[in-house]
Amino acid sequence: DAGVTQSPTHLIKTRGQHVTLRCSPISGHKSVSWYQQVLGQGPQFIFQYYEKEERGRGNFPDRFSARQFPNYSSELNVNALLLGDSALYLCASSLDGGYSNQPQHFGDGTRLSIL
Amino acid sequence: AQSVTQLGSHVSVSEGALVLLRCNYSSSVPPYLFWYVQYPNQGLQLLLKYTSAATLVKGINGFEAEFKKSETSFHLTKPSAHMSDAAEYFCAVSHSPGGSYIPTFGRGTSLIVHP
Repeated sequence: DAGVTQSPTHLIKTRGQHVTLRCSPISGHKSVSWYQQVLGQGPQFIFQYYEKEERGRGNFPDRFSARQFPNYSSELNVNALLLGDSALYLCASSLDGGYSNQPQHFGDGTRLSIL
Repeated sequence: AQSVTQLGSHVSVSEGALVLLRCNYSSSVPPYLFWYVQYPNQGLQLLLKYTSAATLVKGINGFEAEFKKSETSFHLTKPSAHMSDAAEYFCAVSHSPGGSYIPTFGRGTSLIVHP
């Protein structure tokens, strides 16, 4: 079975631009979470979606937004990119959005570099 | 509020030696605790999780962790290190504010294994 897939794997943007990152969860998983991992640090929670509704939001500015589609795939959008947005963006899926604290399954991430 | 402290950003051991990676947590309610491993250019893979069923938790690849409430610790151990264990290890704690479990990750510990 396919795991969590993210696209693209690498992306280079310039300051002020907009970016869209995509994630397909494991088949049957209804929850998707997004994390930002800056080099040398642990993942920081950005969003969690379950059944197309936002279930949680981390401490990130409004430039960050996300949505989940009927097929449970998800997009993370970041507007007005800053140099500090350079990071590995990880997507994770789980069965039920955390109600039973099922572990999350992570994709390999999208490496975003801002010039 | 919940938080995780991983003592030591780098741990170096010889192949065959004991591995001990330290994790202390802070949580206002009984926590769920996880250890994840991250290999270069990959996402996070779950090693093991504690969900209050047993204080000694066995995971994949020979790793185990012991939950000690009195010490608020969840240290990860492996009796004999292998070269393939070299990776970044993350401890995470989660609970359920408002019904959805969202993990908080530590900064990570890089395990270096010498031949």
